[in-house]
Amino acid sequence: GAVVSQHPSWVICKSGTSVKIECRSLDFQATTMFWYRQFPKQSLMLMATSNEGSKATYEQGVEKDKFLINHASLTLSTLTVTSAHPEDSSFYICSARSPTSGRAYEQYFGPGTRLTVT
Amino acid sequence: AQSVTQPDIHITVSEGASLELRCNYSYGATPYLFWYVQSPGQGLQLLLKYFSGDTLVQGIKGFEAEFKRSQSSFNLRKPSVHWSDAAEYFCAVGVYNTDKLIFGTGTRLQVFP
Repeated sequence: GAVVSQHPSWVICKSGTSVKIECRSLDFQATTMFWYRQFPKQSLMLMATSNEGSKATYEQGVEKDKFLINHASLTLSTLTVTSAHPEDSSFYICSARSPTSGRAYEQYFGPGTRLTVT
Repeated sequence: AQSVTQPDIHITVSEGASLELRCNYSYGATPYLFWYVQSPGQGLQLLLKYFSGDTLVQGIKGFEAEFKRSQSSFNLRKPSVHWSDAAEYFCAVGVYNTDKLIFGTGTRLQVFP
């Protein structure tokens, strides 16, 4: 149980275009989802917290106009990288809050999406 | 501010050998601590967690970790490593009164036959 999927797993786009990444909780409802960015050989950096039906909360230093997050349903959150540039190339990972825990620390992670901007 | 340090970037062990991955945290109160494993093409999988109680925590896949408040450590151990344990391991701490996790920089484990 508690499976989180991401689509696509890998995407290449041209500089200046936008790309959307989907994060789905497959067998549970997730009121809260998180988006992370991971650079090669580095840790996961939290970008934003996504709550169903409300605006996302972005971490300091994350451009909310560049990284648009929408959590329109209890099983889907999307991250759109707008006007992508090569420096946006990274590994993007989402997670969803465990439905069985009173603490959001317990998160289930998606497999990640590798974005390459050329 | 809370932080997590994993001093070892890369560790290599022989299959069957014992393993200890180090994790140190900085936090003013009792932390909520986690170990995750990341394999290529797969999402982070929770190995074990510590919230309170017994300081020796058992996890999946034969892993255990011990919380030592005096050393601000939460080291991950396994008595006998299998080749399938080769992966990236992350220690994380929950940020008090928020939904967030702070991750360490990770330790890449290589296992030789």
